[in-house]
Amino acid sequence: GIQVEQSPPDLILQEGANSTLRCNFSDSVNNLQWFHQNPWGQLINLFYIPSGTKQNGRLSATTVATERYSLLYISSSQTTDSGVYFCAVEEGGKLTFGQGTILTVHP
Amino acid sequence: SQTIHQWPATLVQPVGSPLSLECTVEGTSNPNLYWYRQAAGRGLQLLFYSVGIGQISSEVPQNLSASRPQDRQFILSSKKLLLSDSGFYLCAWSGGSAYEQYFGPGTRLTVT
Repeated sequence: GIQVEQSPPDLILQEGANSTLRCNFSDSVNNLQWFHQNPWGQLINLFYIPSGTKQNGRLSATTVATERYSLLYISSSQTTDSGVYFCAVEEGGKLTFGQGTILTVHP
Repeated sequence: SQTIHQWPATLVQPVGSPLSLECTVEGTSNPNLYWYRQAAGRGLQLLFYSVGIGQISSEVPQNLSASRPQDRQFILSSKKLLLSDSGFYLCAWSGGSAYEQYFGPGTRLTVT
């Protein structure tokens, strides 16, 4: 099956810093989603982005499907951005998740 | 708007006991439904998915089973729980031709 790798596995930032999270996948995919898992376990949809670039406030994402990677940018990070960020690729209606990036933002 | 519910939120069960977790979706019809398990706070693993009533596909051989008795209801069951069944169970749905998935709040299961 398809492999999904996320980097870095852990990231520690000071409030106000910018960061880039990466997601590599091993084969062509139909779609890609980015999620934020909050401390209570809820998975929050950030982006549904099979290709191109999307922005939502301080967050933006870019997927280059031909090169099999996606990037999530977080600007001016806040403590509420802390949690685990997952990318997941869709093939045949099913999602395969990466192992996530644990982000900790200190005040 | 669509909402997805799961219950119970937390559950502690002894080894060998049965299990029933429920997921319901509101505000949509004929959704695709999914059960995932997350262990140790990292990546999610797809367990079952369903494209319609009574249609269940299993992704991973295990001690669990799933059923879809109604269009917007998805149930995860076990006859006898194992210690290894502990984890965080999430239900998700997607609709129509779009496969963007939306997740419920999850059930945290501890098998003792």
